[in-house]
Amino acid sequence: AQSVTQPDIHITVSEGASLELRCNYSYGATPYLFWYVQSPGQGLQLLLKYFSGDTLVQGIKGFEAEFKRSQSSFNLRKPSVHWSDAAEYFCAVGAYNQGGKLIFGQGTELSVKP
Amino acid sequence: EPEVTQTPSHQVTQMGQEVILRCVPISNHLYFYWYRQILGQKVEFLVSFYNNEISEKSEIFDDQFSVERPDGSNFTLKIRSTKLEDSAMYFCASKGQLNEKLFFGSGTQLSVL
Repeated sequence: AQSVTQPDIHITVSEGASLELRCNYSYGATPYLFWYVQSPGQGLQLLLKYFSGDTLVQGIKGFEAEFKRSQSSFNLRKPSVHWSDAAEYFCAVGAYNQGGKLIFGQGTELSVKP
Repeated sequence: EPEVTQTPSHQVTQMGQEVILRCVPISNHLYFYWYRQILGQKVEFLVSFYNNEISEKSEIFDDQFSVERPDGSNFTLKIRSTKLEDSAMYFCASKGQLNEKLFFGSGTQLSVL
């Protein structure tokens, strides 16, 4: 079955600390992987995506993610978190030939302590 | 950056009533989608629409749901007879080409009483 698992429902980090949000997927075809962020009252904003090539992808707002096929993971990282990063983060997987049909994880809510 | 616009931001309706959620995708986009997120649950795919027809739908998208692109700009989701379990945040999304990124709207929070 196709699925995305984000094991951490809620994470709290101190401002300036590093961050890693975990994402594991189960997908039959070649996966295309995405991280979205949702701030309160806002839509889903794409942080970064992986289609092919270099397994370390850079995104907006200083985020990066690494695709590890052997571990079926696509973890999101940021070296130094800012208070404005507090939001809900969603990992998603899709296939090129399925257009915009994405399967989302449960989401991880990030809180940032001053 | 261009935006997908959804109206209203919050809609309250009585069970059994029809509701229409409205979306204005980005103007030159060709692929349109609806997703929903029940409180505390995952964002779920409902339907995709291309070339004036549904290209794919999930098992959630039963006969109570329909989509329409009535003119060149709007993309609507209609729920014919709402149920309590239809209460959710509904997201519209669009993209220009198949391999481009998906732009999401800010959602319509539907509350069925």
